[in-house]
Amino acid sequence: KNQVEQSPQSLIILEGKNCTLQCNYTVSPFSNLRWYKQDTGRGPVSLTIMTFSENTKSNGRYTATLDADTKQSSLHITASQLSDSASYICVVTWNSGNTPLVFGKGTRLSVIA
Amino acid sequence: KAGVTQTPRYLIKTRGQQVTLSCSPISGHRSVSWYQQTPGQGLQFLFEYFSETQRNKGNFPGRFSGRQFSNSRSEMNVSTLELGDSALYLCASSFPKGGTIRLPSYNEQFFGPGTRLTVL
Repeated sequence: KNQVEQSPQSLIILEGKNCTLQCNYTVSPFSNLRWYKQDTGRGPVSLTIMTFSENTKSNGRYTATLDADTKQSSLHITASQLSDSASYICVVTWNSGNTPLVFGKGTRLSVIA
Repeated sequence: KAGVTQTPRYLIKTRGQQVTLSCSPISGHRSVSWYQQTPGQGLQFLFEYFSETQRNKGNFPGRFSGRQFSNSRSEMNVSTLELGDSALYLCASSFPKGGTIRLPSYNEQFFGPGTRLTVL
């Protein structure tokens, strides 16, 4: 069964600290993996998109890594800010005509002063 | 460019009623996808439309339906509402970069703010 598991479910960190969010997937055949940031009450916003051949991709203070062999991805946030408080959702696209996107349930990050 | 817009933003209905939600994609985007988001299940794919044709469909009952118009605007309809249909319904638009009808290749998706549906 195609699944995307994210950990931790929630995380609280102090402003200025770094953190890493994890995403494990069993989706096959794999097409690409995306990380989204979703602020409360708003739609998700794309942070990074990685295909099979990409190991690392950065977007400002956000760096995503992908290990296609172990089917694991991580999102590293550097020097966190209060505005980073949001849910971070990992989404895997697979090559199928049906239900092409498999979503993780997200990690709820709270950055406190 | 204006982003994806969804109307209405909030909706309250009672069980058994039906509801229609609307989504206007980013200008030039021809693919529109719909998602249901609940605290328990997270984001789940409902269906995707491209050039007025449903190209993909998730595992939802037939009470959930949609359509796309020639200007790429899309509507989704839920009939005979149940309490469990209470959710945030998100629409996303994209400009597909190729692939085939059966195996579409996706560009980045841009999400709208969603419609919060509450069924009483």
